[in-house]
Amino acid sequence: AQSVAQPEDQVNVAEGNPLTVKCTYSVSGNPYLFWYVQYPNRGLQFLLKYITGDNLVKGSYGFEAEFNKSQTSFHLKKPSALVSDSALYFCAVRDYNQGGKLIFGQGTELSVKP
Amino acid sequence: DAGVIQSPRHEVTEMGQEVTLRCKPISGHDYLFWYRQTMMRGLELLIYFNNNVPIDDSGMPEDRFSAKMPNASFSTLKIQPSEPRDSAVYFCASSLESYNEQFFGPGTRLTVL
Repeated sequence: AQSVAQPEDQVNVAEGNPLTVKCTYSVSGNPYLFWYVQYPNRGLQFLLKYITGDNLVKGSYGFEAEFNKSQTSFHLKKPSALVSDSALYFCAVRDYNQGGKLIFGQGTELSVKP
Repeated sequence: DAGVIQSPRHEVTEMGQEVTLRCKPISGHDYLFWYRQTMMRGLELLIYFNNNVPIDDSGMPEDRFSAKMPNASFSTLKIQPSEPRDSAVYFCASSLESYNEQFFGPGTRLTVL
């Protein structure tokens, strides 16, 4: 069965430092991978996706993610964190054999301190 | 485009009452999804539609929940009768194709007393 794991409930980073939010997945077939961000009392916002092509994907707000097939990971990264990046981040995977269904991770709370 | 529109934004009701949540997807999007978010269970897919047809309703918790999509621009999620454990934030999302990113609405915060 397809699944997504975000091993850290919370990540704390100082402003200006690089940040990484981890995601690993398990699917049968080629994965479609997504990152979303949720600010308080808001819906989820799409950040970036990997379907095929370059393993390094660039997205909104300076975020990028690296697809690693051998490690079945899709970690979200940003070279220099901002306080405004503090939010809840979700990784999601879609197995193209299963139609449009997305499986979301449990979310990682990112806190960026000044 | 206004994005995905959901109404109401907040709903407070008493146990046993009927609740209807509404969603207007982004124009031209063929897929519509209903999710529920709680602290305990995270984000759960309840049901999704393709071209107004329900494709997968395996996430609907029980018969008290029903969803319809009478046309391409409107969907409802109904809970009858409502129970306190239904309290959650309900999101609607839409996408152009099944492999595209989903766009989420602002959600409806439901409280059942």
